[in-house]
Amino acid sequence: GQNIDQPTEMTATEGAIVQINCTYQTSGFNGLFWYQQHAGEAPTFLSYNVLDGLEEKGRFSSFLSRSKGYSYLLLKELQMKDSASYLCAVRASRGGFKTIFGAGTRLFVKA
Amino acid sequence: DAGVTQSPTHLIKTRGQQVTLRCSPISGHKSVSWYQQVLGQGPQFIFQYYEKEERGRGNFPDRFSARQFPNYSSELNVNALLLGDSALYLCASSARGGSQETQYFGPGTRLLVL
Repeated sequence: GQNIDQPTEMTATEGAIVQINCTYQTSGFNGLFWYQQHAGEAPTFLSYNVLDGLEEKGRFSSFLSRSKGYSYLLLKELQMKDSASYLCAVRASRGGFKTIFGAGTRLFVKA
Repeated sequence: DAGVTQSPTHLIKTRGQQVTLRCSPISGHKSVSWYQQVLGQGPQFIFQYYEKEERGRGNFPDRFSARQFPNYSSELNVNALLLGDSALYLCASSARGGSQETQYFGPGTRLLVL
């Protein structure tokens, strides 16, 4: 089967660092995406990893280990506006889209 | 440039009715995908279209169908609506439908089935 697991909820303090983990089991792997989704809005693209290692983009970094079926999203210098759901998604097939999304991690940033 | 647009933004239907949702991709994008997102869950893949041909289909019943037009816009049709079809329907576009391309999502159509 195909499965993506991520924590349901996390709480962190403004200015802190938070790491959101994602583990996956899919038939074939062709990249992993992280999206941010504010309540009532569409997902917006944050990062893409297809090779092992860390990709850094401003306050956001994403890590991938294909052998472990594991990724994390690291958010630094948290701001109140970072309160949102963070979706881990795996592109499971070659040559097209069969993107499998996790249920999302709701992040609450408190003052 | 405009992003992905979807219409209508909200829709209320009753069980057994049929609904058509519309999507216009980002200018220059030729691939459109449809997702269903139930409250509290991640988006579930329904269809992908590229150059008017279906390229992928998720685990949805035949009541769900879609098509893509020559201008790359797309429609999602759902027949014989059930209460469980109530969800946010998201459309996403990408340039060529390549497996490593980023998809850009539209604002979605929120469907409520009574």
